[in-house]
Amino acid sequence: DAGVIQSPRHEVTEMGQEVTLRCKPISGHDYLFWYRQTMMRGLELLIYFNNNVPIDDSGMPEDRFSAKMPNASFSTLKIQPSEPRDSAVYFCASSPWGTGANVLTFGAGSRLTVL
Amino acid sequence: DAKTTQPPSMDCAEGRAANLPCNHSTISGNEYVYWYRQIHSQGPQYIIHGLKNNETNEMASLIITEDRKSSTLILPHATLRDTAVYYCIVRANNYGQNFVFGPGTRLSVLP
Repeated sequence: DAGVIQSPRHEVTEMGQEVTLRCKPISGHDYLFWYRQTMMRGLELLIYFNNNVPIDDSGMPEDRFSAKMPNASFSTLKIQPSEPRDSAVYFCASSPWGTGANVLTFGAGSRLTVL
Repeated sequence: DAKTTQPPSMDCAEGRAANLPCNHSTISGNEYVYWYRQIHSQGPQYIIHGLKNNETNEMASLIITEDRKSSTLILPHATLRDTAVYYCIVRANNYGQNFVFGPGTRLSVLP
């Protein structure tokens, strides 16, 4: 298995532009998580899905952020419009059902820089 | 809020055992102790977890005190590749709870 695949690995954009981050979870995993990591705030959970359905989006910072999971093998995190304070590394993780969703496998992350 | 307390940093000599402590004095009866680590620029990696018994796998050992208020992650023979930030997390094994990552312990394995 190739693990959790995220794209792009690096994104540099200008303030006000739309940013779309993509994630392909491990096949068969029922849970998908989006985290954000910054030096100031560490790792923060943004949203997670179970069987493609958003379960908890309380970590999504504001309406500029949205996440979708149209099918079991793909999820997107969109920021529109982007701001410099959104600069961070965004991680996607997935977990199989039956473990209490306690063993997360993380992707390599997408490093976003908003100028 | 993270329910654990860890030292911000530790050093360990290569080849020696690395013992990483974690305090979780408010842990509930149904909460497990999990350890993850994050090597620079990579996503966090699961290491081990346990409820009340000591656990061992190919990566590490987890020692949980009898009162469950603290635990120690042991890397028996640390290598330079074990240099990372180690996160101790307590969480119940139900689908409604999420992982809350605190600042962790930055372990430096020295040659």
